Amino acid sequence: QTVVTQEPSLTVSPGGTVTLTCASSTGAVTSGCWPIWFQQKPGQAPRSLIYRTSDKHSWTPARFSGSLLGGKAALTLSAVQPEDEAEYYCLLYYGGVQPWVLGGGTKVTVL
Amino acid sequence: VQLVQSGAEVKKPGAAVKVSCKASGYTFTNYHVHWVRQAPGQGLEWMGIINCNGGNVGYGQNFQGRVTMTRDTSTSTVYMELSSLRSEDTAIYYCARENLGCVDVWGQGTTVTVSS
Repeated sequence: QTVVTQEPSLTVSPGGTVTLTCASSTGAVTSGCWPIWFQQKPGQAPRSLIYRTSDKHSWTPARFSGSLLGGKAALTLSAVQPEDEAEYYCLLYYGGVQPWVLGGGTKVTVL
Repeated sequence: VQLVQSGAEVKKPGAAVKVSCKASGYTFTNYHVHWVRQAPGQGLEWMGIINCNGGNVGYGQNFQGRVTMTRDTSTSTVYMELSSLRSEDTAIYYCARENLGCVDVWGQGTTVTVSS
């Protein structure tokens, strides 16, 4: 069974920068995995931020960016704002019988 | 463009639940729909995906044998049925549309409560 691993939690100061990563048990994450990043705040539905590694939606704040870093998908939050405190999830595409696998999420605390 | 899900459900253990996700504002058959759930205090869990054109499906390993996803192109609606419900299936169930790796629109969520 494929497992996608994210940091359970990260803490960042307001105005700082933090990078979240998304690793695959099958090996390096590539652009072919179509990495997707979601943000979820308590009591709210998830909101999509990044798709196909680094593409942004029209509503995605400029301070969010996606990339591949050291064999993992990465989400970087720059100039972090208090409202960025949330849970962040990555979703990777593998095709086959179970085509997508979701990471366990990273709780980002802004402190 | 929106996905509107059916209302909250309360089911007994062992029963089945069928949640709908009605699409509007776009060409239904050009997209896939994912289903994701979130149990109270837990993270998101990917359940599966359906191709709204051909109806092909792919299910998460934790749900294989217990989940069925279908679509009705005449009403632009996707259905997710989960059987043999247990208390651990109590969760909010979300649908989301996707095309070529881009997930953008989410449903509002449907609360399913499993309780005797």
